[in-house]
Amino acid sequence: QITLKESGPTLVKPTQTLTLTCTFSGFSLHTRGVGVGWIRQPPGKALEWLSLIYWDDGKHYSPSLKSRLTITKDTSRRQVVLTMTKMDALDTGTYYCAHHRRAGYSHEFAFWGRGALVTVSS
Amino acid sequence: SSDLTQPPSVSVSPGQTARITCSGDALPTQFVHWYQQKAGQAPVVMISKDTERPSGIPERFSGSTSGTTVTLTISGVQAEDEADYFCQSMDTSGNYVVFGGGTKLTVL
Repeated sequence: QITLKESGPTLVKPTQTLTLTCTFSGFSLHTRGVGVGWIRQPPGKALEWLSLIYWDDGKHYSPSLKSRLTITKDTSRRQVVLTMTKMDALDTGTYYCAHHRRAGYSHEFAFWGRGALVTVSS
Repeated sequence: SSDLTQPPSVSVSPGQTARITCSGDALPTQFVHWYQQKAGQAPVVMISKDTERPSGIPERFSGSTSGTTVTLTISGVQAEDEADYFCQSMDTSGNYVVFGGGTKLTVL
């Protein structure tokens, strides 16, 4: 059974750095084609992809947020960490981590965490 | 191009057929996955790789593709299908994930 769970602060101040941890079970980040991604959703709005890290440590970032994001993995602890610098009120929303499976031209988020609500406010 | 375009809303009566489209330049070369998101919940995959229905997903959900447009079809819509639906694929380079803007399905 694959599960993922996001953890981190619920409230951050403007200009601060957000650090979110995704702790997963039921799969290995050693497996070829497997990755973990981060997706966020402002209240009442669409899903927005942020970042993705693969089994081979390949990393991808949203072009619009690349300068603010860093993604790392700790395979032995089954964790993926996302940091986002210079937080702003517009970054308020629910942040999800999700199991990602890459197979040819298919890139699917098959399993999702429940999400972590992050509010940016002074 | 990296954009995926969906209609903001679709409304149908129970028992009717709902069709939600997703358009994008990269779709002839990249697979699309469809997610259902109910209020306060995480997204769930309903259709994988354009047309595949994962285990446990009702048969009334199906997917089809034609050129730069992929369609999610819900036949015999039920009240429980009321939700937001998002399509997801990759951009033309295959390096960046893209989501559609989402479609709110209302069951009248």
